[in-house]
Amino acid sequence: AQSVTQPDIHITVSEGASLELRCNYSYGATPYLFWYVQSPGQGLQLLLKYFSGDTLVQGIKGFEAEFKRSQSSFNLRKPSVHWSDAAEYFCAVGASYNTDKLIFGTGTRLQVFP
Amino acid sequence: DVKVTQSSRYLVKRTGEKVFLECVQDMDHENMFWYRQDPGLGLRLIYFSYDVKMKEKGDIPEGYSVSREKKERFSLILESASTNQTSMYLCASGGGGQPQHFGDGTRLSIL
Repeated sequence: AQSVTQPDIHITVSEGASLELRCNYSYGATPYLFWYVQSPGQGLQLLLKYFSGDTLVQGIKGFEAEFKRSQSSFNLRKPSVHWSDAAEYFCAVGASYNTDKLIFGTGTRLQVFP
Repeated sequence: DVKVTQSSRYLVKRTGEKVFLECVQDMDHENMFWYRQDPGLGLRLIYFSYDVKMKEKGDIPEGYSVSREKKERFSLILESASTNQTSMYLCASGGGGQPQHFGDGTRLSIL
């Protein structure tokens, strides 16, 4: 069965530091992968997606993610974090035959110190 | 921009009441979804719909039903609300391989 694991429940970084949020998935075929961000009291906003092609994908707000098939990972990165990046981040996987249905990880809460 | 609108941001109801949560999308998407979000559990799919009057159960459909009479509108119904249905409810729409777009959520409290 498909599953998504975000091993870090909570991460704290200083403003200006680099960031990497981990995501591991379990799926037999080529997955469709997504990262969403949720600010407090808001819905989810799509940061980036991977369907095929280049394994390094660029998203909004300066985020990028790299698909590594051998590690079943899709980690999210940002070279320099801003205080406004404090939020909860969700990784999701969609089945390649039905991309519209998603399985979400449990989320990673990012706290940013000035 | 895609707009998914949920009718209420906050809602307080009593146990046993029938509760309706409404969701409207403006992008002519085929698919619509209802999720429930609880701390530590992420998002769990309650129901989804891939066409008007068509629906499929998600992972946690018990105690819920849905209605999709028009393409742009997808309603979640709590037939007899219980305290364990206190949660954040998120609606999303998508289609044609495009990512899901989410509404701002309804925080529902059942007293």
